[in-house]
Amino acid sequence: GDSVTQMEGPVTLSEEAFLTINCTYTATGYPSLFWYVQYPGEGLQLLLKATKADDKGSNKGFEATYRKETTSFHLEKGSVQVSDSAVYFCALGVGGYQKVTFGTGTKLQVIP
Amino acid sequence: GAGVSQSPSNKVTEKGKDVELRCDPISGHTALYWYRQRLGQGLEFLIYFQGNSAPDKSGLPSDRFSAERTGESVSTLTIQRTQQEDSAVYLCASSFGTGAYKNIQYFGAGTRLSVL
Repeated sequence: GDSVTQMEGPVTLSEEAFLTINCTYTATGYPSLFWYVQYPGEGLQLLLKATKADDKGSNKGFEATYRKETTSFHLEKGSVQVSDSAVYFCALGVGGYQKVTFGTGTKLQVIP
Repeated sequence: GAGVSQSPSNKVTEKGKDVELRCDPISGHTALYWYRQRLGQGLEFLIYFQGNSAPDKSGLPSDRFSAERTGESVSTLTIQRTQQEDSAVYLCASSFGTGAYKNIQYFGAGTRLSVL
């Protein structure tokens, strides 16, 4: 079945450090890929997405590239801020109505 | 409404009682999803509604779980004879069911269910 594997957290970084959160997937067909973010006390919200191979999603300084050859969608940011502290979920969607499978989430803590 | 609204935000119940959770999707969104998020775990798909089509119930963990949605409006998730392992945050999401934005889901803040 479809599945998403992302690196376990928590990840603790100093402000302005480089961030990578790894995500790999297994899917039938051609999935869309997503990163969702959950800030403390808030609901999940879409951070970025890519719908086909080699697409790059970007938002708020975060980027992720859909790599079909390595079945990966790693999340990166060049310089993290304290306000980026949150839980990040990698996800894939398949099918006509995009049934979404989520990873377990990676907690990021950025310290000043 | 402006966003997906879920109620109650917190629910504490005793083992064996029934609970009903409510979700108000964004107006105009034809698709509605329920997920469960246990502590420290990812989101577990429960059920999906799209317009008047038959719902995808493939994620419901047992026959104690059921959900209803009337048309493209409010949905209720009912858990009968609650068990301690039902304790989790129950999340609802909605999206446009078709078109270019069909794969963007908007989430409510969730209902935190605690079964004592």
